[in-house]
Amino acid sequence: DAGVIQSPRHEVTEMGQEVTLRCKPISGHDYLFWYRQTMMRGLELLIYFNNNVPIDDSGMPEDRFSAKMPNASFSTLKIQPSEPRDSAVYFCASSFAVQGPTNTIYFGEGSWLTVV
Amino acid sequence: AQSVTQLDSHVSVSEGTPVLLRCNYSSSYSPSLFWYVQHPNKGLQLLLKYTSAATLVKGINGFEAEFKKSETSFHLTKPSAHMSDAAEYFCVVSDLGFGNEKLTFGTGTRLTIIP
Repeated sequence: DAGVIQSPRHEVTEMGQEVTLRCKPISGHDYLFWYRQTMMRGLELLIYFNNNVPIDDSGMPEDRFSAKMPNASFSTLKIQPSEPRDSAVYFCASSFAVQGPTNTIYFGEGSWLTVV
Repeated sequence: AQSVTQLDSHVSVSEGTPVLLRCNYSSSYSPSLFWYVQHPNKGLQLLLKYTSAATLVKGINGFEAEFKKSETSFHLTKPSAHMSDAAEYFCVVSDLGFGNEKLTFGTGTRLTIIP
C-alpha cells in the first residue's frame, strides 16, 4: 500500500488566500484524522472522521477552518481566509480501527504551509 | 482525561551507547500507548505500541519499551544507538474502550547522536 498520501507537500500563500489541503487515506481504513503541528503547541488533533462522517471537530481552531470527506478515499482541509498564524505542518492520518490490536494510526508525510 | 509527559525535551548519546527516552502517562481507563518517530521534514512513523498484551513491547529498528502500570511509565530504550536514530520521538496515549478515539501526544524528545 502507498500509505497516506497528502498534497501539496509544501505551500506558500499570501494572507487572505484560500488554502486547500488534500488527503488520500490508506484503502480500507475507516478513520481519518487531521492534525496540526507547530513549535508552540506541538501536535493537535483538529478533526476526525469515521466512515466519512465528522465525529469530533472540537479541535478546529475557528470558522475559517473546514474539513470534508466526500468519500472513503478523499478528504480536504480548507482554510479561508488564511492568516500567518496558520503556518504549520498539517498531517493527515488514517486507521482501520481505534480499539484493539488494529488501532494503529498511520500518518502521511504532511503538508508544510507557510502564510506570508 | 488522558495525558502524557515526556520528561526530557532533548537527549544526546554517543553512537553505540544505550538510549533511554522517558515517558509517563495518565489515563482513566486501560490505555494504548505508542511511540512514534519523526525524522526531519518527514511524517510520523510508528515504532511500537502497547495494547494490554505483553508488557515488554519490541518495535522496529531495535527499539523496545516496557509498560509499567505501577509507575505509569512507558520508557523507550535501545541497547546501541545508531546515527540514523537521530530524530524526534513522541510518546502517545489513547484510552481504550470508551469511544475515545483521540490520541494525546507528548511534547516530543529530540534525540541527538554524537559520532
